[in-house]
This record gives sequence, structure tokens and C-alpha cells, in this order.
Amino acid sequence: LAKTTQPISMDSYEGQEVNITCSHNNIATNDYITWYQQFPSQGPRFIIQGYKTKVTNEVASLFIPADRKSSTLSLPRVSLSDTAVYYCLVGDNGGGGNKLTFGTGTQLKVEL
Amino acid sequence: DAGVIQSPRHEVTEMGQEVTLRCKPISGHNSLFWYRQTMMRGLELLIYFNNNVPIDDSGMPEDRFSAKMPNASFSTLKIQPSEPRDSAVYFCASRIRIGEKLFFGSGTQLSVL
Repeated sequence: LAKTTQPISMDSYEGQEVNITCSHNNIATNDYITWYQQFPSQGPRFIIQGYKTKVTNEVASLFIPADRKSSTLSLPRVSLSDTAVYYCLVGDNGGGGNKLTFGTGTQLKVEL
Repeated sequence: DAGVIQSPRHEVTEMGQEVTLRCKPISGHNSLFWYRQTMMRGLELLIYFNNNVPIDDSGMPEDRFSAKMPNASFSTLKIQPSEPRDSAVYFCASRIRIGEKLFFGSGTQLSVL
């Protein structure tokens, strides 16, 4: 299973763009990259998922280089409500058991 | 849809007692996951099921923990006997199929005194 490494914490200010990078050097061919957001006292919530290049939805963008050994979650113009823990997951999307293991996550703190 | 439903939301028990946590996945989802979250260890995958069959329980800490999924709409995680170090938030999550996103319940906050 691919292990992920993320920064423990990041600080930002309202209105700024935040980029959180995740390393997953031993990602497998079948693995997708998925990001989740967790607020205190809640379960994690799906943000975005991708396999390669770039994916964009209404809340974030996900950039994945050609070698897929890392990925970057980009949050445009963050607000105070984006303060949360962000998890990068690399999951077996094929027949290997689809075990999904969360890493330590990145605590993002957004200030005024 | 009501989402993934977990009960109880909070459980306080004494060491040695049996604890049963319950989960109702989203209808139509065929994978179910049990996670445990603590400050020290983060989010740990305990066990997951596909089509009601346990696929990997290597994350279950020890024999005191057991999980069942008797049908597609219900799963239990049981701890017997419970110990103070089992205190944590236990999350259940489900997804419709392999490769799709997880939907998490609100969790059960377990305190073992």
C-alpha cells in the first residue's frame, strides 16, 4: 500500500490560495489519489479525487504530475471556514482489496 | 438519503464492560469501513467489508474487538471487555463501489472509565 506524507500543519489568511502537497512515492498503477477534509467532531468529507494531470471541482483543484509520486491540493481564496484537517489518501482501485488508510493529515489554520 | 447513521453518538462505560457500536450504511453501498480516531494515532482503519464479507481485519487491535455485517444495511463493532485505552471516536464509512468516495457517519465518542 502506498504511504503518504504531508506537512503536519499550515497557516494562511483569508483570501489567499493554499496549496497542500502530498508525497506518495510508491503509488501503484491502479491507485487513485483522494483528498478529504475533516472538521472537529465530524467525520471526514470527500473533497476531490484524481488519477493524473489536473482535476477541478467547485471547491478545489488537484494537480498530479506525470510520475504521480506526489499531488497538490489547491484551495482558492480560503476563508475561516476552511480551517480543518486535510487528508491525502492513495487507494487501491483494483483487485488488491481497496484498503483505504489515512495518513496524519495537514491541519490548515486560516486567519483574518 | 440520511447518510451513514451511527449509534450511539456518545458512550460512557466502565472498564470490563461490553460495548457495541452500530452502523447503518447508505442504501445501495456495498463497502463498509470501520475507523478509530485518537489524538495520538490519528485515523486508523480497523476493518472493512465488501458485500457484507470482511476483507481485511488486520487493523483490529486485538481479539477483544470483533465486527459483523449480517446484512447490507447493518454492521456492528463490539469490544469485549473494554479498556480505558479503547477510548476514541469510532467512525463508520460506506461507499457505493470500489474507487468511489467514502461517506462517513458522525462517529461514536467512546469513553471507557
